[in-house]
Amino acid sequence: AQRVTQPEKLLSVFKGAPVELKCNYSYSGSPELFWYVQYSRQRLQLLLRHISRESIKGFTADLNKGETSFHLKKPFAQEEDSAMYYCALLPNAGGTSYGKLTFGQGTILTVHP
Amino acid sequence: NAGVTQTPKFQVLKTGQSMTLQCAQDMNHNSMYWYRQDPGMGLRLIYYSASEGTTDKGEVPNGYNVSRLNKREFSLRLESAAPSQTSVYFCASRIQGYYGYTFGSGTRLTVV
Repeated sequence: AQRVTQPEKLLSVFKGAPVELKCNYSYSGSPELFWYVQYSRQRLQLLLRHISRESIKGFTADLNKGETSFHLKKPFAQEEDSAMYYCALLPNAGGTSYGKLTFGQGTILTVHP
Repeated sequence: NAGVTQTPKFQVLKTGQSMTLQCAQDMNHNSMYWYRQDPGMGLRLIYYSASEGTTDKGEVPNGYNVSRLNKREFSLRLESAAPSQTSVYFCASRIQGYYGYTFGSGTRLTVV
């Protein structure tokens, strides 16, 4: 069975500092990885997915299959980045998993002024 | 376009009471999901429905039942609420062939 681990429950940085939210996964096949974000009192929304290799709101994430990691990075954090971040895995992309996302435990990012 | 709508937004139940959480989507999505969100546990899948007329258990189905009433609606029922079911419940939907989920705004349930 697949598993997603986010080792940091809380992460605090100052505005303008670099930030990295860690995500490690275990899965025997080729997963698709996502980052979701939940701002205060709002619903979860997709931030980015590894397959599109895009940068959203200054965030990037690279899938490292050797280290089974998908860390989220931003070079200069902003106060509006404060939120809960979830790493998620979709097994057998394109297969018969019916799109059942497995989420990590979440990391609360706080960016101080 | 409302997306995924959940009702109610807040609910307090006494132990042993029953209730149904409602979820409806207006995006013609095939698949629908119920997750619960607990501190330090992330989101865990309770039940899902790959398509109208089908439902399957997720990671934590005990104490819950679901109904996929039609393509739009997917309800979650607690027959006899327990304090361990205090949580925030999220409904989500997805269209076949696309990996992005659309989430509802959540239902905060407290069982006392």
